[in-house]
Amino acid sequence: DTGVSQDPRHKITKRGQNVTFRCDPISEHNRLYWYRQTLGQGPEFLTYFQNEAQLEKSRLLSDRFSAERPKGSFSTLEIQRTEQGDSAMYLCASGPLAAQETQYFGPGTRLLVL
Amino acid sequence: AQSVTQLGSHVSVSEGALVLLRCNYSSSVPPYLFWYVQYPNQGLQLLLKYTSAATLVKGINGFEAEFKKSETSFHLTKPSAHMSDAAEYFCAVRRADGNNRLAFGKGNQVVVIP
Repeated sequence: DTGVSQDPRHKITKRGQNVTFRCDPISEHNRLYWYRQTLGQGPEFLTYFQNEAQLEKSRLLSDRFSAERPKGSFSTLEIQRTEQGDSAMYLCASGPLAAQETQYFGPGTRLLVL
Repeated sequence: AQSVTQLGSHVSVSEGALVLLRCNYSSSVPPYLFWYVQYPNQGLQLLLKYTSAATLVKGINGFEAEFKKSETSFHLTKPSAHMSDAAEYFCAVRRADGNNRLAFGKGNQVVVIP
């Protein structure tokens, strides 16, 4: 069990640039989640996949954000035209297809938009 | 919608003293409740969870929590604090009816005083 991995761990970009983050879930997990955590706050839900289907999106996920999980394995989160307010830790979690699932979190990608 | 309240962003406790972190939740349907711990520059690690079985839940590292429906609470305790308990602790709630998103509190930063 290698756990949930995320790449990169840190990203510094200039305002207006596009960035893409990758998440590799625990291999047997069907569900994959993205959360955003800003300084001094708890994580906030962004979106959720079951296999390759994106089943739920938060209103926090503006049209500049897009997430994919093309083959039901790894997922990518892209932010277009980044803004300073996008600076945050982006956390990925995965869980099994079970009613009482536990979500297992990766180490996160810390984004700084200058 | 579900929500969690954690009061007191910073909690100081002496080494060897009781650790008590309070969590009150709001949910329109029966909840599942979780406590996660986050060490600096790391993702969230599950401490324990309540999923409608026993109301007193034991977790890792000597932590436990009690679900009290009448008080809508899920407070986290540890009888004797250790220096390694210094971290940020998050309470989270999700619905038990298939909606999988976690709603987190703002967290408690625990400082252990030698």
